[in-house]
Amino acid sequence: DSGVTQTPKHLITATGQRVTLRCSPRSGDLSVYWYQQSLDQGLQFLIQYYNGEERAKGNILERFSAQQFPDLHSELNLSSLELGDSALYFCASSVDNDYGYTFGSGTRLTVV
Amino acid sequence: GDSVTQMEGPVTLSEEAFLTINCTYTATGYPSLFWYVQYPGEGLQLLLKATKADDKGSNKGFEATYRKETTSFHLEKGSVQVSDSAVYFCALGVQGAQKLVFGQGTRLTINP
Repeated sequence: DSGVTQTPKHLITATGQRVTLRCSPRSGDLSVYWYQQSLDQGLQFLIQYYNGEERAKGNILERFSAQQFPDLHSELNLSSLELGDSALYFCASSVDNDYGYTFGSGTRLTVV
Repeated sequence: GDSVTQMEGPVTLSEEAFLTINCTYTATGYPSLFWYVQYPGEGLQLLLKATKADDKGSNKGFEATYRKETTSFHLEKGSVQVSDSAVYFCALGVQGAQKLVFGQGTRLTINP
């Protein structure tokens, strides 16, 4: 157990639907990062939050949004889902803004 | 922009063979460099890191040296085991942007 908890582990949904992925960071970590891992795109950085505020943005689609709550857990919202959104979504956390990421085990999203 | 290029896989070796997985990078400034490992069904785990030129990161028998002159961070292990079978990712920390940029990953399979 890495200390970063992601739920659910698996999610199957239909095109056009909306889902929410949840991440609880390791105790004491203030930064949360979201990554998408697909076969053709590899690992793509989506977004970072630090202590409740958005800190960095990557290749995140407008249909996707995220937030970090006062208790530091984070949610990634994916809407108007398309087949191409099927992927593994990883959350990672770190202390401050260093690079010592700890990854969760991911949520596998399948859009049918 | 910042990018990481890894040796294409998959790589298949016999137990006790010598391993090299090549990684080169393009970055402005002075990035930190990392190797992560992903075992089946799990998230990524930090394997080793180096934060400045000529630094050598090492862990679990794996080593990599930060070579600024060749912009490389090749992963090596002298004698691999079946338990080393996994996907290995090279990554760089983007200076000032607080995000990791990953290579495409190299799948390693070790046969007994």
